[in-house]
Amino acid sequence: ETGVTQTPRHLVMGMTNKKSLKCEQHLGHNAMYWYKQSAKKPLELMFVYNFKEQTENNSVPSRFSPECPNSSHLFLHLHTLQPEDSALYLCASSQEVGYWNTEAFFGQGTRLTVV
Amino acid sequence: QKEVEQNSGPLSVPEGAIASLNCTYSDRGSQSFFWYRQYSGKSPELIMFIYSNGDKEDGRFTAQLNKASQYVSLLIRDSQPSDSATYLCAVLEISGSARQLTFGSGTQLTVLP
Repeated sequence: ETGVTQTPRHLVMGMTNKKSLKCEQHLGHNAMYWYKQSAKKPLELMFVYNFKEQTENNSVPSRFSPECPNSSHLFLHLHTLQPEDSALYLCASSQEVGYWNTEAFFGQGTRLTVV
Repeated sequence: QKEVEQNSGPLSVPEGAIASLNCTYSDRGSQSFFWYRQYSGKSPELIMFIYSNGDKEDGRFTAQLNKASQYVSLLIRDSQPSDSATYLCAVLEISGSARQLTFGSGTQLTVLP
């Protein structure tokens, strides 16, 4: 148990569906992240939130929409996805301390399959 | 584009041997470096982090950093079958107010009994 909880663990959705992924961290961290992990590819950073403000959006398609209502919760809203969006979606949190970051702790991930 | 490069492997070592995992990075300004282990179907878990040039030891693991060569490595002594996993190198890149933890593609390690 890393202190970062993701739900659901598995999700199958059609291309016309709308769903949301949820992440909650109990570590008191001030930064949260969404990563995408596809087979045989590096972890891809999607979004970064620091103190609830989005600071990074790595050219992610608009069919992925993040929401960070407070420093402990992070959502990823999904709509009209494509089959190539099937992947493991990982949430992580860390603490920014001046110029440094503590290590990132990952949730268990949501295995998403788009059919 | 800033990159983190790892040999994808697979790397196979016999039980009890030293496994050596290597990583290079392109951003010369990077200051923080992390090694994560990821078992199949699981999320990454932190093994070690290193900020300063030289070696940092933690049990059977030693991280080595050479900022001049932009190179970071992980040594695993007395390798065990339970060490079989994918090892991810990550580099914290800071540009202004933006921070990004960039991962390599990982090296798959197999420790043979």
